[in-house]
Amino acid sequence: GAGVSQSPSNKVTEKGKDVELRCDPISGHTALYWYRQSLGQGLEFLIYFQGNSAPDKSGLPSDRFSAERTGGSVSTLTIQRTQQEDSAVYLCASSKSRGHTDTQYFGPGTRLTVL
Amino acid sequence: GQSLEQPSEVTAVEGAIVQINCTYQTSGFYGLSWYQQHDGGAPTFLSYNALDGLEETGRFSSFLSRSDSYGYLLLQELQMKDSASYFCAAPSGNTPLVFGKGTRLSVIA
Repeated sequence: GAGVSQSPSNKVTEKGKDVELRCDPISGHTALYWYRQSLGQGLEFLIYFQGNSAPDKSGLPSDRFSAERTGGSVSTLTIQRTQQEDSAVYLCASSKSRGHTDTQYFGPGTRLTVL
Repeated sequence: GQSLEQPSEVTAVEGAIVQINCTYQTSGFYGLSWYQQHDGGAPTFLSYNALDGLEETGRFSSFLSRSDSYGYLLLQELQMKDSASYFCAAPSGNTPLVFGKGTRLSVIA
């Protein structure tokens, strides 16, 4: 079946602009996760959804970051007034549920470059 | 706090065995996972240990000692295609998965 898809694959924007990143999880997966990965670094957890709800938003780096999920499926991560330090690969993952044993399946990521 | 520590780089020879260690400090403990990521690729799940001991999946094995807050990933019969970054990860508090910074494995001929 289809895996997790993300769009766009690459995004170049100017400092101060807003960007929207999209994630399409695996069909039937109720849990969805966003991570950020800077060059050569580990994965920084941003936020997760169980259904359409995000129980904990404390992982978002600043109030310029927001995320939503509608219909228990597609999610968008929005970064307002982008800064150069926002440049990174943004990864989305989904799992059948939010259980500790549930494997997360990752999408290919969106590479964001802020000039 | 919550952290997972692993070596930043490891180099090993093709055909050899390599062990990548991970020590963790998390809020609560529900098991240790390992993910592989090739350059430019997405992380993919390798293994999960909920209980102490060794889990074997083909050439890859993973070990956990909860009393020592320690685990490792063992790769046998190394192949060039195993060159990648390897991450240990564990749930902590409200965060579903916290990842280590990753170990970059280089397999040389």
